[in-house]
Amino acid sequence: DTGVSQDPRHKITKRGQNVTFRCDPISEHNRLYWYRQTLGQGPEFLTYFQNEAQLEKSRLLSDRFSAERPKGSFSTLEIQRTEQGDSAMYLCASSLPGSYGYTFGSGTRLTVV
Amino acid sequence: GENVEQHPSTLSVQEGDSAVIKCTYSDSASNYFPWYKQELGKRPQLIIDIRSNVGEKKDQRIAVTLNKTAKHFSLHITETQPEDSAVYFCAASGVGDDKIIFGKGTRLHILP
Repeated sequence: DTGVSQDPRHKITKRGQNVTFRCDPISEHNRLYWYRQTLGQGPEFLTYFQNEAQLEKSRLLSDRFSAERPKGSFSTLEIQRTEQGDSAMYLCASSLPGSYGYTFGSGTRLTVV
Repeated sequence: GENVEQHPSTLSVQEGDSAVIKCTYSDSASNYFPWYKQELGKRPQLIIDIRSNVGEKKDQRIAVTLNKTAKHFSLHITETQPEDSAVYFCAASGVGDDKIIFGKGTRLHILP
């Protein structure tokens, strides 16, 4: 386990379809974060977990978005009824408690057509 | 909540010269300030960070300074090289707030 893994790397979907992304953090990291990044912008916080508990959700995260981390290991981010405005890079990051430095995954690039 | 402003949005410097990127933050309780570098098509990577109990930190050609009174912090890159070309993001995080808030980024071009 050498880093944060995200799957898939790219996803093209039609508007209205549901999509699900997966993130596998570094194994000893108990914190996991989801961010969204659009072209020319910095990563925007969406939500984060400590173990299996979802501790915070951004107001950016509409009801169409849901994230889970059922066993405190990998996490999934689901977007229901996708819209063109959902097109972005979805980044996952993980960290140890008391260590603020994130390790990011390579991201999942979502294109809604 | 925290808001991080970053400038300039684009910066071009001659190879060998220095580059400075400046950021301000809004939440006086913020105490951790990382900088990330993102090359085209790649993930953001932490290059240096500073906590509020120090005013400056250096790592080879990179240094970060923090002025808590003014709520601003800066990244300094000396003797710039072509591989320094990338987008740089500043960020801030507060006490008891485990998420990091990012600035909008600075695209740094190193000119030959």
